[in-house]
Amino acid sequence: GDSVTQMEGPVTLSEEAFLTINCTYTATGYPSLFWYVQYPGEGLQLLLKATKADDKGSNKGFEATYRKETTSFHLEKGSVQVSDSAVYFCALLARAAGNKLTFGGGTRVLVKP
Amino acid sequence: DAGVIQSPRHEVTEMGQEVTLRCKPISGHDYLFWYRQTMMRGLELLIYFNNNVPIDDSGMPEDRFSAKMPNASFSTLKIQPSEPRDSAVYFCASTTFKITTNEKLFFGSGTQLSVL
Repeated sequence: GDSVTQMEGPVTLSEEAFLTINCTYTATGYPSLFWYVQYPGEGLQLLLKATKADDKGSNKGFEATYRKETTSFHLEKGSVQVSDSAVYFCALLARAAGNKLTFGGGTRVLVKP
Repeated sequence: DAGVIQSPRHEVTEMGQEVTLRCKPISGHDYLFWYRQTMMRGLELLIYFNNNVPIDDSGMPEDRFSAKMPNASFSTLKIQPSEPRDSAVYFCASTTFKITTNEKLFFGSGTQLSVL
């Protein structure tokens, strides 16, 4: 079945450091890929998405590129802020699987001033 | 729009009691998802509905769990009897895929369930 694997956290960084969170997937067909973010005490919200190979999703300084050849969708940000402290989830949507969104395990990121 | 509304926000109950979690999706959304989040298992899909009909309930852990969607604006997740291992945050999410470029889930704030 479809699955998403992302690096385990927690990831602890200093402000202005470079952030990378690895995400790989297995899916039938051509899924859409997403990064969701969960701030403390809140539900998940969409951060960015990409719907086909080589697409780059971007939002709030975060970027991720859909790499079909490596089945990856790594999240990056060049200079993190304390406000980026959250849990980040990689996810895929395979229409062939009935519009079911499959999430990775989540990666907790803590940015220290 | 008020977004996806879940109630209660927090629930503390004793083992063996019945627990009912409630969700009001965003108006016009035809898909509704129930997820459970724990430290050990991360975010698990329990069940989802399309047009009020359950499509996939393979994630429901056991017969103690049941979910209903009697109409387009309301869904419940019931646990009877509850057990301490059911303690988790339960999220409801809704969306519509009628717009092909949408593909975005809107999550509620969750219900923090503690079973003592």
